[in-house]
Amino acid sequence: KQEVTQIPAALSVPEGENLVLNCSFTDSAIYNLQWFRQDPGKGLTSLLLIQSSQREQTSGRLNASLDKSSGRSTLYIAASQPGDSATYLCAVAPFPNSGAGSYQLTFGKGTKLSVIP
Amino acid sequence: EAGVAQSPRYKIIEKRQSVAFWCNPISGHATLYWYQQILGQGPKLLIQFQNNGVVDDSQLPKDRFSAERLKGVDSTLKIQPAKLEDSAVYLCASSRTGATNEKLFFGSGTQLSVL
Repeated sequence: KQEVTQIPAALSVPEGENLVLNCSFTDSAIYNLQWFRQDPGKGLTSLLLIQSSQREQTSGRLNASLDKSSGRSTLYIAASQPGDSATYLCAVAPFPNSGAGSYQLTFGKGTKLSVIP
Repeated sequence: EAGVAQSPRYKIIEKRQSVAFWCNPISGHATLYWYQQILGQGPKLLIQFQNNGVVDDSQLPKDRFSAERLKGVDSTLKIQPAKLEDSAVYLCASSRTGATNEKLFFGSGTQLSVL
């Protein structure tokens, strides 16, 4: 059974710092990995999706890397801003079952980020 | 483009009562998901629909939970009777085709408190 772990559970940094969030997973047979952002009382917003054949994806100040063989991913946030304060979750998708079409993501518990002005 | 709409935003009920949640996905999205997110946990998939058919309900507690998407558009999730451990945020998500490399779009969720 796939398990996803995110460390640390909470992180507080001063504005302007670069930071790294970590995600590890136990089964390396994944199809892709996604990073989501969740604001209090809101749903999840997909930030980056990395296919299993890729090593990294970038969007603006965000860079996500994937090392499938070691079961690790990192989310790098450059020049953090107070607006980046949120909970960040990673989720892995297994290879699609032939014909089933099920898309069952396994999520970590998230890292709660606070960026202090 | 309108996002995924969910209602109500909050619901407080007593145990053994019933409750229903509603979701309207993004227009044209064939795939709809219901997730349960318990406080401090990541979301867990309850059920996945492709149009109006069920693709995966392996983690849905079928003795008390039911869901339907009759016309392949909006969906309802029902709990009857509710238990204390059902207190959670119920998130609805949709995707265009359900392909595993697609991004999911989530609604704001319904926060359920069972007393």
